[in-house]
Amino acid sequence: KNQVEQSPQSLIILEGKNCTLQCNYTVSPFSNLRWYKQDTGRGPVSLTIMTFSENTKSNGRYTATLDADTKQSSLHITASQLSDSASYICVVSESGGSYIPTFGRGTSLIVHP
Amino acid sequence: ETGVTQTPRHLVMGMTNKKSLKCEQHLGHNAMYWYKQSAKKPLELMFVYSLEERVENNSVPSRFSPECPNSSHLFLHLHTLQPEDSALYLCASSPTSGFAGELFFGEGSRLTVL
Repeated sequence: KNQVEQSPQSLIILEGKNCTLQCNYTVSPFSNLRWYKQDTGRGPVSLTIMTFSENTKSNGRYTATLDADTKQSSLHITASQLSDSASYICVVSESGGSYIPTFGRGTSLIVHP
Repeated sequence: ETGVTQTPRHLVMGMTNKKSLKCEQHLGHNAMYWYKQSAKKPLELMFVYSLEERVENNSVPSRFSPECPNSSHLFLHLHTLQPEDSALYLCASSPTSGFAGELFFGEGSRLTVL
């Protein structure tokens, strides 16, 4: 069964600090991995997408990495801001067939001033 | 504005009521989806429509009934729901079916069943 596990479940950091969120998956065969940001009471918004051949992708202060061999991904946030407070969801899609994505439970990030 | 609009944003209903959730996408996409998001659980896929044809029904109870009259509109009709159906219901669209493309989500409809 395809699974996506995220850690930590929640994280509290001070404004300006960096943090790294983890995602481990068992989805196979692999197609792509996305990170979504979901603000409280809003829908998820895509931050990055990576395919098998990519191991780093940046979007402003967000940098995602992918190790397809160990089936791990991380999302690094640099110089955090209050607006980074949100849930970050890792989503992995399998190739072939319907590409149905598997969602992680998300990491809840709170940035304090 | 996300390009995917959901109404109502909040809904409270009794177990004997009948209500509907509406989703409209302004992106010219061909596929639309309903997802359920419960606290501390991953998003659960409910239904997928591609070019107005239902292509996925993920073992959803019959008290949830989807309708896709055209490629821009998607409804979720609700009747005789249970308290455990209380959740955030998210609509999404993508350029093509098969999930290969990015999912664009609406803001969600927060449903409370009393």
